Amino acid sequence: RKEVEQDPGPFNVPEGATVAFNCTYSNSASQSFFWYRQDCRKEPKLLMSVYSSGNEDGRFTAQLNRASQYISLLIRDSKLSDSATYLCVVNAVYGGATNKLIFGTGTLLAVQP
Amino acid sequence: DAGVTQSPTHLIKTRGQQVTLRCSPKSGHDTVSWYQQALGQGPQFIFQYYEEEERQRGNFPDRFSGHQFPNYSSELNVNALLLGDSALYLCASSVTGTGKRNTIYFGEGSWLTVV
Repeated sequence: RKEVEQDPGPFNVPEGATVAFNCTYSNSASQSFFWYRQDCRKEPKLLMSVYSSGNEDGRFTAQLNRASQYISLLIRDSKLSDSATYLCVVNAVYGGATNKLIFGTGTLLAVQP
Repeated sequence: DAGVTQSPTHLIKTRGQQVTLRCSPKSGHDTVSWYQQALGQGPQFIFQYYEEEERQRGNFPDRFSGHQFPNYSSELNVNALLLGDSALYLCASSVTGTGKRNTIYFGEGSWLTVV
């Protein structure tokens, strides 16, 4: 089983749609959670951190359920510019390294005009 | 303030050859991690360097090796290249230590094609 598993893609949605991405992680000791965005042939960039209380940044809302080991990202009023791959990321706390990120495979979002 | 810089940005190598990729972390950062991202996959952790030592290694063969210099910059070396080593290699810099905000920054990556 992969340490971080995401919805398979791609997601093709019209402009203005609401889209949700889901992710599960296997290590209950994980402490930090993130969503990264990656544009085609570019490096991943931090979109937002995810907290148990839930957090919102404009059209983006992230939720964490520690009991279910489940992370979600909701994008409201999708824009063409939201088209990218969204990576669910967990900061591993074992093995000696710090800030070791475990990535999901990513979900491709294509927003259609 | 320069961010994370990687070189080269693109390169093509032949099977069996060796390659060295370089990374300069963000100013003030002391920890460098390397990731491999194959097409259609998420980045996979290769190893991490701190205080010039490898602190942890992911599931990669010994053909992958690295080094960190006193100025915190780092190199990733891959020997005996295979076609399957073709990927985007990402360098991530961060700070180790209590009280430090654990913000991780990625470089733009080095695209390696093995033919």
